[in-house]
Amino acid sequence: KNEVEQSPQNLTAQEGEFITINCSYSVGISALHWLQQHPGGGIVSLFMLSSGKKKHGRLIATINIQEKHSSLHITASHPRDSAVYICAVEGANFGNEKLTFGTGTRLTIIP
Amino acid sequence: DAGVIQSPRHEVTEMGQEVTLRCKPISGHNSLFWYRQTMMRGLELLIYFNNNVPIDDSGMPEDRFSAKMPNASFSTLKIQPSEPRDSAVYFCASSPRLAGEGTQYFGPGTRLTVL
Repeated sequence: KNEVEQSPQNLTAQEGEFITINCSYSVGISALHWLQQHPGGGIVSLFMLSSGKKKHGRLIATINIQEKHSSLHITASHPRDSAVYICAVEGANFGNEKLTFGTGTRLTIIP
Repeated sequence: DAGVIQSPRHEVTEMGQEVTLRCKPISGHNSLFWYRQTMMRGLELLIYFNNNVPIDDSGMPEDRFSAKMPNASFSTLKIQPSEPRDSAVYFCASSPRLAGEGTQYFGPGTRLTVL
């Protein structure tokens, strides 16, 4: 079993729909990252969070440390949101920035 | 800022040859990471440096791989000898690693093909 599990693996939705991508992890962590990988291959960091919720534009990330679970939400989805979204965790060892990655969720937004 | 710079962007080589990938992190960032991405294994950390010192190299696959960071503005990842199974996209990332801020900034990647 992978330390970081994402669901769903693939998601297709219509433009305007509310999107939720889930991430569960099995180890203690100090922080969780959400990354976006564009169809061209570039990777962008969306969020780094260790508790609560963060919001940036139409994107919202939440984390529940007790349940070892995080969600990434996209409101009013748009075709340009089509990408692979990757969850990654930093271990609980203080000062160790090593990331362990989920396998990603491929999101396709249809106009 | 130009962001994280990697070179070359594409490399095609023959099995047995030495390959050197280069990375220039964002100025002022004190952590640098080398990742590998394949279809089979996804993204994996190979090694990371903090203040030019290797901190975690547990992801380096074997002795054929080596990484150096001689100064704060340059790092190399070397594969010698290369094998077809090393074909992958190699990403470099850097982070300022300030208190509470560990966002990693990724370079565009180097697509390596070993024939």
